[in-house]
Amino acid sequence: QVQLQESGPGLVKPSETLSLTCAVSGYSISSGYYWGWVRQPPGKGLEWIGSIYQSGSTYYNPSLQSRVSISVDTSKNQFSLNLSSVTAADTAVYYCARHIYTWDYWGQGTLVTVSS
Amino acid sequence: EIVLTQSPGTLSLSPGESATLSCRASQSVSNNYLAWYQQKPGQTPRLLIYGASNRATGIPDRFSGSGSGTDFTLTISRLEPEDFAVYYCQQYGSSPTWTFGQGTKMEIK
Repeated sequence: QVQLQESGPGLVKPSETLSLTCAVSGYSISSGYYWGWVRQPPGKGLEWIGSIYQSGSTYYNPSLQSRVSISVDTSKNQFSLNLSSVTAADTAVYYCARHIYTWDYWGQGTLVTVSS
Repeated sequence: EIVLTQSPGTLSLSPGESATLSCRASQSVSNNYLAWYQQKPGQTPRLLIYGASNRATGIPDRFSGSGSGTDFTLTISRLEPEDFAVYYCQQYGSSPTWTFGQGTKMEIK
């Protein structure tokens, strides 16, 4: 059974960098699939942030591209998200997930609040 | 970048009725790479339909998807109490990119 688990600070100060890690179990990241991040502001809809392929190629939402970086650590079977220069508008539940055309396995999500 | 617009924003129905949810794309969705998800409060999205009309594993046949190009529909027949949730459409496009619609909330009337 594929499982994903997000980890990272639940509170980030404005203008700082949000950093999250997604640990994957039950499947090797290097075996295939895209590994991505989706966020959901409180009471709002889903927004794709970006994804990384097994090869290390990255793809980002154009609206966030200038602030987003996703990387993978195959030795630890995990991938990470960095979102720089955060503001209150970046407050959301952040999900990591496995996907190709559709998103099939999701982490439980972690709430990140941007506040001083 | 393809934008997905879902309608209506909120749908009020009673158990036993049928629901029709719409998802319109700003450009044609290639290869009908259009999916539907259900999300209940405090839960992660659950894949219902992929490829516009194919039910995911374990999804009851009350759920059906249709459409092509820019117009897609999710139909839920004989609504059960557990069907009241938020529904999202999602497309996969070239580049590659992934886009979600803004959601339709289905509430009990």
